[in-house]
Amino acid sequence: AQSVTQLDSHVSVSEGTPVLLRCNYSSSYSPSLFWYVQHPNKGLQLLLKYTSAATLVKGINGFEAEFKKSETSFHLTKPSAHMSDAAEYFCVVSLANFGNEKLTFGTGTRLTIIP
Amino acid sequence: DTAVSQTPKYLVTQMGNDKSIKCEQNLGHDTMYWYKQDSKKFLKIMFSYNNKELIINETVPNRFSPKSPDKAHLNLHINSLELGDSAVYFCASSQMGGVYEQYFGPGTRLTVT
Repeated sequence: AQSVTQLDSHVSVSEGTPVLLRCNYSSSYSPSLFWYVQHPNKGLQLLLKYTSAATLVKGINGFEAEFKKSETSFHLTKPSAHMSDAAEYFCVVSLANFGNEKLTFGTGTRLTIIP
Repeated sequence: DTAVSQTPKYLVTQMGNDKSIKCEQNLGHDTMYWYKQDSKKFLKIMFSYNNKELIINETVPNRFSPKSPDKAHLNLHINSLELGDSAVYFCASSQMGGVYEQYFGPGTRLTVT
């Protein structure tokens, strides 16, 4: 069984300040982990993914995440928030199923940027 | 060029009706998926198809029937619509095997009245 827990349903930061979105995972096997972003009334876009290579993963738009096995965490960070970062963020764990990816989504964290 | 497209974007219908949502991808992927996003933004996989073959079938009422005429298309037909079916439905596609990114469509907002 696999699951992810996003520890904050809503995070607000001021523009130009750091962003931290927290995610803990549970998986019976070495997991593949993703962060997806959903802007209002849009589909989902991949920010970054971890697949057992480097533990610090860099993604698009200045986001990065660090896989910490000892803490079962995969927190998403960005040094300086921009207004365009306001969106819903989903932490996702993947279990390969006969070659097909079955994604299990967290409940999402809504990021608000204060001007 | 739209990678994963869905039609319609919005669908409003009455309880008891039958409706379909269409999905097409032009990425050459072998695998396609349907997800349901509820009013609290929670996303859950419903089905996945690989080369027109059903691979993942989560606990979904049998009123929902996916159909894949070819590997570029995965349609979702829903019979006897209920109020609880109101949600946003996302189609996605990916390459087969390994850990590949899933590309999502823009979503179809279904409202059952």
